[in-house]
Amino acid sequence: RKEVEQDPGPFNVPEGATVAFNCTYSNSASQSFFWYRQDCRKEPKLLMSVYSSGNEDGRFTAQLNRASQYISLLIRDSKLSDSATYLCAYPLSGGYNKLIFGAGTRLAVHP
Amino acid sequence: GAVVSQHPSWVICKSGTSVKIECRSLDFQATTMFWYRQFPKQSLMLMATSNEGSKATYEQGVEKDKFLINHASLTLSTLTVTSAHPEDSSFYICSATAYNEKLFFGSGTQLSVL
Repeated sequence: RKEVEQDPGPFNVPEGATVAFNCTYSNSASQSFFWYRQDCRKEPKLLMSVYSSGNEDGRFTAQLNRASQYISLLIRDSKLSDSATYLCAYPLSGGYNKLIFGAGTRLAVHP
Repeated sequence: GAVVSQHPSWVICKSGTSVKIECRSLDFQATTMFWYRQFPKQSLMLMATSNEGSKATYEQGVEKDKFLINHASLTLSTLTVTSAHPEDSSFYICSATAYNEKLFFGSGTQLSVL
């Protein structure tokens, strides 16, 4: 299994739709996970951190399934501005902020 | 919030030349900086970890003599791509942290080698 694996998409959804992405990881010992949003040729921006079973922030919900070693990101009521690439990440051994990233899932929200 | 400034944003250079990319933490002391490379539609690949005042630790497969990293102060790390070739064309991005607190990313540098 790759260290971090994501469905590259693209996910093409209409405004208002609910969309979910999964990210599988190989390191069962990892305690923290992150979802980042990245726009084309820009730096990734932290969207959510996941330390236990899940986290919710407005329209965004992240969940962690340790048994199956995946995290998910749910976006409700999609907006045009949600169009971006969503990266999951977690720390490599040797440092809390030494992150390994997935290749990202592209989301395109259309009118 | 804290800011990490990365310069230049874009650079185009001829094959065989060297390019230096700077990463500065503007309002905090970055004890550790990380350098990543991202090819189109691929993930950010960690190249090296840079701790202030010590030699950088490179990830497997990254040539330390080609990608020179210097972290001489708590606010500045530089990545020099030596003798750049077209296959080095990529998006390079740094991130910085102070004592493993929050992580902040620079805005990235798009390198195009002709």
